[in-house]
Amino acid sequence: AQSVTQLDSHVSVSEGTPVLLRCNYSSSYSPSLFWYVQHPNKGLQLLLKYTSAATLVKGINGFEAEFKKSETSFHLTKPSAHMSDAAEYFCVVSDTGNQFYFGTGTSLTVIP
Amino acid sequence: AAGVIQSPRHLIKEKRETATLKCYPIPRHDTVYWYQQGPGQDPQFLISFYEKMQSDKGSIPDRFSAQQFSDYHSELNMSSLELGDSALYFCASSPGPEGTEAFFGQGTRLTVV
Repeated sequence: AQSVTQLDSHVSVSEGTPVLLRCNYSSSYSPSLFWYVQHPNKGLQLLLKYTSAATLVKGINGFEAEFKKSETSFHLTKPSAHMSDAAEYFCVVSDTGNQFYFGTGTSLTVIP
Repeated sequence: AAGVIQSPRHLIKEKRETATLKCYPIPRHDTVYWYQQGPGQDPQFLISFYEKMQSDKGSIPDRFSAQQFSDYHSELNMSSLELGDSALYFCASSPGPEGTEAFFGQGTRLTVV
C-alpha cells in the first residue's frame, strides 16, 4: 500500500528565510515521488520529481528535495522564501504509475 | 509547449442533472488520470486510463463513468448530480504508465446548485 504524510498542514516563514516542507511516504515498491504546487484557483504545477536517479533533486523556482530511503522521507526545501512562493504544496507518490497518491497538502504562508 | 486542456473551465448544474467533462492530454501521452478536489481538500483519485483501457479505479461513484477515446482524449460523465459533487475536477496525462510524472490541466470547476 502507498501513502503520503505531510507532517505540517500550515507553514509560515518570513520572506528571505529558508523553507522546509516535510513529507514521509510508505510504498511497497520503489516509488516515484513528486512535489506539486497549487496557487489559489490554479491547477497543479510540477515542482520536481524523484524517479530513482540522484537522491537530491532540483526543481523549478529554487526548490529542491532529498530522497532519504532510510527515513522514507522526501522533504522539500528552498534556501530563501519569496512572496510568490505562498501556495499549497502537495507531496505525491506513485509506484506503478496507475495512480498518484496525494498528501493532504501544506499551506505555505510567506510573511513580508 | 502544449499542456493538458480541460473543458469547460467552469460548469454550473442543478441537482439531478448530468455533466460531461472533457480532457485533452498532451500529444503522445497515452495515460490519463481524473481527480476530484473538494474545497480545502487534497485531490482524490477517481479513475485512470492507459491506451484507452481503464487502468485503475479509485473513489469514483457509480453515478460517474469515464472513457478514453481513440484520439486519447477522455470524458468524465457525471449523472444524478448531487450538491456534494461540487468540486474542482482535474485531469492529468503522462507519457507512460511507469511512474512518470503527471501533467495536470487547469481543472473544471463544477458547481451543483
